[in-house]
Amino acid sequence: EVQLVQSGAEVKKPGESLKISCQGSGYTFTRYWIAWVRQMPGKGLEWMGIIYPADGDTTYSPSFQGLVTISADKSINTAHLQWSSLKASDTAMYYCARFLGTDRHMDVWGKGTTVTVSS
Amino acid sequence: DIQMTQSPSSLSASVGDRVTITCRASENVNNYLNWYQQRPGKAPKLLIYAASSLQSGVPSRFSGSGSGTDFTLTISDLQPEDFAIFYCHQTHTTPYTFGQGTKLEIK
Repeated sequence: EVQLVQSGAEVKKPGESLKISCQGSGYTFTRYWIAWVRQMPGKGLEWMGIIYPADGDTTYSPSFQGLVTISADKSINTAHLQWSSLKASDTAMYYCARFLGTDRHMDVWGKGTTVTVSS
Repeated sequence: DIQMTQSPSSLSASVGDRVTITCRASENVNNYLNWYQQRPGKAPKLLIYAASSLQSGVPSRFSGSGSGTDFTLTISDLQPEDFAIFYCHQTHTTPYTFGQGTKLEIK
């Protein structure tokens, strides 16, 4: 079964750093892109960026460029999303999803990681 | 960025009804348009990709159409489990932008 397993919920203070993860299984991890999507409380979906684990090729949405870092460790079939200094406005649910480059769609999603940033 | 506008933002319907949700792109996205369903507290689920291709395992009462800038998602014979929020998503040009969502509620 193709799965993306995301790391658990996080509660952090403003200014702290954070790295969340998304581990793929049931398929060849390096053959598919991984996308990250944000959903702030009660709001819609926002596309953050995408990475190709085979070579680390990454594209960010301008809205998130410089605010987060997307990376991947193909040796452990895992993609990461990280912040160096969290803000309260980073409070959201973060989803990773497998992105098929052929028809360009996200066919398998992780369950999401809730990030709460509060003093 | 390409702006995606869905209409309506919300609608009420009954079990057995047929509903249509539209999505308009601010510029041509060819057929790089996907539809997702999100139930409360759950991750989004792919319904339709490439404007009209039904994702494996998705019931045939879901269908998509359109090309260019105007797209529709149609759900025929609504079932109780269909009530959710639906999003269109263009993947023609980065950043790949979503519509604002359409909330489908039970009448």
